[in-house]
Amino acid sequence: EPEVTQTPSHQVTQMGQEVILRCVPISNHLYFYWYRQILGQKVEFLVSFYNNEISEKSEIFDDQFSVERPDGSNFTLKIRSTKLEDSAMYFCASISYNEQFFGPGTRLTVL
Amino acid sequence: KNEVEQSPQNLTAQEGEFITINCSYSVGISALHWLQQHPGGGIVSLFMLSSGKKKHGRLIATINIQEKHSSLHITASHPRDSAVYICAPTSGTYKYIFGTGTRLKVLA
Repeated sequence: EPEVTQTPSHQVTQMGQEVILRCVPISNHLYFYWYRQILGQKVEFLVSFYNNEISEKSEIFDDQFSVERPDGSNFTLKIRSTKLEDSAMYFCASISYNEQFFGPGTRLTVL
Repeated sequence: KNEVEQSPQNLTAQEGEFITINCSYSVGISALHWLQQHPGGGIVSLFMLSSGKKKHGRLIATINIQEKHSSLHITASHPRDSAVYICAPTSGTYKYIFGTGTRLKVLA
């Protein structure tokens, strides 16, 4: 069964460092999403991506964040200069017929 | 005020009990999803509803569009049902708006 994959499963970084979180969506899906979940809180929408451009982004998705689909398969989320409050679980999702399929998540820990 | 409210926030049940989780939302939606999040963090889609009722095994989901309310029922609950259940409406953009989640623990 097709699935969304994410790497790494856990990333530890120092404050101020850049991180790139990677996702491989299901191959024939067209819409892609990033969400985050701070420990103990609800899942929050970050950004949606369609046709190689951002279609919607939340207030959280500021200039420190960027997304791209560099090679037609991988979908990446970059945080340029990480802050302590970026520590969270980051989920990638792709969509088919209005149903989203989630990756297993990347746990980002910023020290 | 949250756009999506769930109740209860926490629920402990004995194995075999009938469980109901409620969701109320204030936004206009095209569909509503019920998701299950396991202790390890993984999120699985259980149902997508735009009207009426759906059943899958021991799970039943209903929605009342006029009242902006949905319920998830679990019949004959089992310890393996222990998870966080999340209500997530979507608008025309397909973006999920996540509820606060209901943490369910089913005791053997």
